Amino acid sequence: AQKVTQAQTEISVVEKEDVTLDCVYETRDTTYYLFWYKQPPSGELVFLIRRNSFDEQNEISGRYSWNFQKSTSSFNFTITASQVVDSAVYFCASETNNAGNMLTFGGGTRLMVKP
Amino acid sequence: DTGVSQDPRHKITKRGQNVTFRCDPISEHNRLYWYRQTLGQGPEFLTYFQNEAQLEKSRLLSDRFSAERPKGSFSTLEIQRTEQGDSAMYLCASSLTANSPLHFGNGTRLTVT
Repeated sequence: AQKVTQAQTEISVVEKEDVTLDCVYETRDTTYYLFWYKQPPSGELVFLIRRNSFDEQNEISGRYSWNFQKSTSSFNFTITASQVVDSAVYFCASETNNAGNMLTFGGGTRLMVKP
Repeated sequence: DTGVSQDPRHKITKRGQNVTFRCDPISEHNRLYWYRQTLGQGPEFLTYFQNEAQLEKSRLLSDRFSAERPKGSFSTLEIQRTEQGDSAMYLCASSLTANSPLHFGNGTRLTVT
């Protein structure tokens, strides 16, 4: 069985600060996928990134970056120079190979960015 | 891209009543998923369809729940004899393939009184 833990339930930062959202996963599978989704107040989950277990390269997309560390079973998400529009709940999720989008989500981290 | 559409957005019902929700996926997407999200928690997988075939059901999906996707397009999720514990946001998502990202709708928020 898979498990995803997001220990930070709520984070509050001031605009332009950098912030890192932690994600720790548990799995017995050697092949798996990890995801981050954003859920703004409107409620619709927005896909941010998908990584497979064989690709440990860090990824950067604009102000977003992700750090995948197999040794610590972590897949952390950093927002650089945060903006008020980044305020949302962020979910980390995992999927075993061939599970076809049957994701296991963490409990989410609510990020509040204050002006 | 019109996105995934769910109807209704909100539903308030009395315990014991039946409710039905509808989901219209993105038109060319073969896969359709139902998830449930309770307050302060992450979404939990319920079931999914590949075209009209329901291929997987979670243990969370009790026999009071039934989902259909009759023509491989829209899907319905019915809950019979609702209980207060059914109160949640019911999320529908679709994807082009098993390995494509999920596109979620805005959800149907169910309140059972």
